[in-house]
Amino acid sequence: EPEVTQTPSHQVTQMGQEVILRCVPISNHLYFYWYRQILGQKVEFLVSFYNNEISEKSEIFDDQFSVERPDGSNFTLKIRSTKLEDSAMYFCASTIDSQVEAFFGQGTRLTVV
Amino acid sequence: KQEVTQIPAALSVPEGENLVLNCSFTDSAIYNLQWFRQDPGKGLTSLLLIQSSQREQTSGRLNASLDKSSGRSTLYIAASQPGDSATYLCAVPFYNQGGKLIFGQGTELSVKP
Repeated sequence: EPEVTQTPSHQVTQMGQEVILRCVPISNHLYFYWYRQILGQKVEFLVSFYNNEISEKSEIFDDQFSVERPDGSNFTLKIRSTKLEDSAMYFCASTIDSQVEAFFGQGTRLTVV
Repeated sequence: KQEVTQIPAALSVPEGENLVLNCSFTDSAIYNLQWFRQDPGKGLTSLLLIQSSQREQTSGRLNASLDKSSGRSTLYIAASQPGDSATYLCAVPFYNQGGKLIFGQGTELSVKP
């Protein structure tokens, strides 16, 4: 069964460092998303991506964040200068259509120290 | 503001009991509703998807119902087992939101042997 794959599963980084979280969505999907979940809190939408551009971003997704689909298979989330409050589980999701089931990866746990 | 709410926040039941988890949403204009399971520190496992035109969906011991007009969904778990212990999340894509999911805060279920 096709699945969304995220790497790494866990990343520890020092405050101020850049991190890139990687996702391989399901191959025929067209819509891509990043969500995050701070420990003990709700899963929150960060950004959606369609047709090689951002279609929507939340207020969390400030200038420190960027997304890219560099090669038609990977979908990356970059945090330019990490802060302690960026520590969270980050989930990638993809759908074939914005109105149908979303498939999630297993997440990357980011710890900023 | 479009929101999703889940009650109760936590539930503890003895093994074998049937139970109901609740999810409510503020706007009936939704494409579908998804129920997820999340084990501690882990990713999101999709359990059931109900399309907006459906009233219920079943998978094994799980049955999810949807009443769009009242903004409610329930997840019924029959004959609960200790392995069902996890946090259960519901999530909704509202119309004209590009497919992004709005999540409830989850119900943490503990099934005691």
